Amino acid sequence: GEDVEQSLFLSVREGDSSVINCTYTDSSSTYLYWYKQEPGAGLQLLTYIFSNMDMKQDQRLTVLLNKKDKHLSLRIADTQTGDSAIYFCANSGGYQKVTFGTGTKLQVIP
Amino acid sequence: KAGVTQTPRYLIKTRGQQVTLSCSPISGHRSVSWYQQTPGQGLQFLFEYFSETQRNKGNFPGRFSGRQFSNSRSEMNVSTLELGDSALYLCASTRTSGPGETQYFGPGTRLLVL
Repeated sequence: GEDVEQSLFLSVREGDSSVINCTYTDSSSTYLYWYKQEPGAGLQLLTYIFSNMDMKQDQRLTVLLNKKDKHLSLRIADTQTGDSAIYFCANSGGYQKVTFGTGTKLQVIP
Repeated sequence: KAGVTQTPRYLIKTRGQQVTLSCSPISGHRSVSWYQQTPGQGLQFLFEYFSETQRNKGNFPGRFSGRQFSNSRSEMNVSTLELGDSALYLCASTRTSGPGETQYFGPGTRLLVL
């Protein structure tokens, strides 16, 4: 079945850039998403990218997609302590059946 | 515009019981999806309803069921609860069931099965 893999943990210093990586297996993925989950909260959609794009930038967030390698990354520039959360990569071939990765816990050190 | 609401927020049940969780989508949203989140399995898709019809279904046993009402509110039911059903259950709503629609998540219902 479909699989989405992420590293479990990332630690960065405040002000540095964070890069969270994700690989997926479903070649029919049409939409790829990044979600943020803070403790005790639901998921917040940060950004998404269509599979025919290779980059999308939204303020401090940059998403890079390598469709050939099925690799997605999220770069957070000037990481702040408020960015500490779990980040989920997800993909969808369409409609609302979304497959989520295991999540990467980002720790920002002041 | 009010966000997605889920009730109850916390629930404790014992094995063998059944439970019903409720989700009210954002006003005007007609699609509701349900997910189970556990430390071991991560986030897994349960099912999606659109206009009172189940459109997609994940790989869960028949003990997990759902429905959607004409006002788009949705309920999910788990019968004969097992310890492994302890999880955070999240629902998400979108305006339609089309691809690329932004899913808005509720805060979740945390279920503990003893």
